[in-house]
Amino acid sequence: AQTVTQSQPEMSVQEAETVTLSCTYDTSESDYYLFWYKQPPSRQMILVIRQEAYKQQNATENRFSVNFQKAAKSFSLKISDSQLGDAAMYFCAYGAPGGSQGNLIFGKGTKLSVKP
Amino acid sequence: GAGVSQSPSNKVTEKGKDVELRCDPISGHTALYWYRQSLGQGLEFLIYFQGNSAPDKSGLPSDRFSAERTGGSVSTLTIQRTQQEDSAVYLCASSLGASSYNEQFFGPGTRLTVL
Repeated sequence: AQTVTQSQPEMSVQEAETVTLSCTYDTSESDYYLFWYKQPPSRQMILVIRQEAYKQQNATENRFSVNFQKAAKSFSLKISDSQLGDAAMYFCAYGAPGGSQGNLIFGKGTKLSVKP
Repeated sequence: GAGVSQSPSNKVTEKGKDVELRCDPISGHTALYWYRQSLGQGLEFLIYFQGNSAPDKSGLPSDRFSAERTGGSVSTLTIQRTQQEDSAVYLCASSLGASSYNEQFFGPGTRLTVL
């Protein structure tokens, strides 16, 4: 069965600095999707960034980028120029390709604090 | 346009009572997912719908949990004879289709507290 592990329950970063959140996963599939979701105190889960496993290039979305290491089954999220609004829970998630289901498997999350 | 909505936002109930949680997906989204988020935990998949059918109910924690979707739109998650361990945030998500390729859009969740 696929699993997702986030080894950092909490992280802290100074405003305008860079922080990296870690995620590892386990799967026997060769093609899949990986996601980072942000959950602020409002509880609304928001998709931050998505990576397709067959793509070599690391995904980027403005200040957010990933370091995808397929062989190591690692998928870390880098947040550059951190802002106060980045403070939230961040969840890494795995999704199987195509098929007929599409449910995501989530890690337990990392709580990110941003210090002014 | 409107996002995914869930009601109620918060629900407090007594042990043994039945509760119904509602999810209104984004219009046109054929896939709908229910997840449970317990304190300090990630999201646990419960059930998904493609249209009105739920091909896989294996994620439901017990036979006290059931879900239905009517008209390919609104879904209701029902928990019978609630237990304290059912206390959690129940999140609903919808997407264009039942594939990980399609982005899942989440609702704000229902926080259920069982006393």
